[in-house]
Amino acid sequence: DIVMTQSPDSLAVSLGERATINCKSSQSVLYDSNNKNYLAWYQQKPGQPPKLLIYWASTRESGVPDRFSGSGSGTDFTLTISSLQAEDVAVYYCQQYYSTPYTFGQGTKLDIK
Amino acid sequence: EMQLVESGGRLVRPGRSLRLSCVASGFNFDDYGMHWVRQAPGKGLEWVATIRRNSGGIGYADSVKGRFSISRDNAKNSLYLQMNSLRPEDTALYYCAKSVAFLEYLLADAFDVWGHGTLVTVSS
Repeated sequence: DIVMTQSPDSLAVSLGERATINCKSSQSVLYDSNNKNYLAWYQQKPGQPPKLLIYWASTRESGVPDRFSGSGSGTDFTLTISSLQAEDVAVYYCQQYYSTPYTFGQGTKLDIK
Repeated sequence: EMQLVESGGRLVRPGRSLRLSCVASGFNFDDYGMHWVRQAPGKGLEWVATIRRNSGGIGYADSVKGRFSISRDNAKNSLYLQMNSLRPEDTALYYCAKSVAFLEYLLADAFDVWGHGTLVTVSS
């Protein structure tokens, strides 16, 4: 199974500042034949289902603000929020869909400093 | 608007069975792979099972393999999860989710539409 490890477990960032969450997979999720990273990012607010933010490691889902961006390849990935807004307080998860069992990171809780 | 609505969750004794349902609307159900994902109270997300458009491809988490069975009825826009031999550790909010990939293109199983979940509690 591919193990997904996020860091940090929690962070607090001031409004308007940059927030960075890292995700590392135990093996590459880059599929050589199509050069795509099978990696997604989700945002989950209390009492709500997860919301897809990013897939293919860097493709923003329709309707997601452009302050959210994803980067990385192979085994190391990053979700960046360029200018933190109050509504971004949530838990963020990465997920690999390279192979079953699909696996999620443990989550990173993001708060306002 | 694309929507998924789960039902069937309740309190059940260990060892018993339960069947969850998920009804889809707002998109062509048979164009997409579908999934179940669960979240234990206060915990993270755990993928449970996946079923392809034509039910030809199915996969399960090791934690449920041999006990749970995923199925779909494309004529009814419905997804199901038959849960047998339930254990206390199966207690969770069970979400139905849709793949982002139209016609399963490149098997992009990122989940772009989620239901609000149905709560399964396994306890004596």
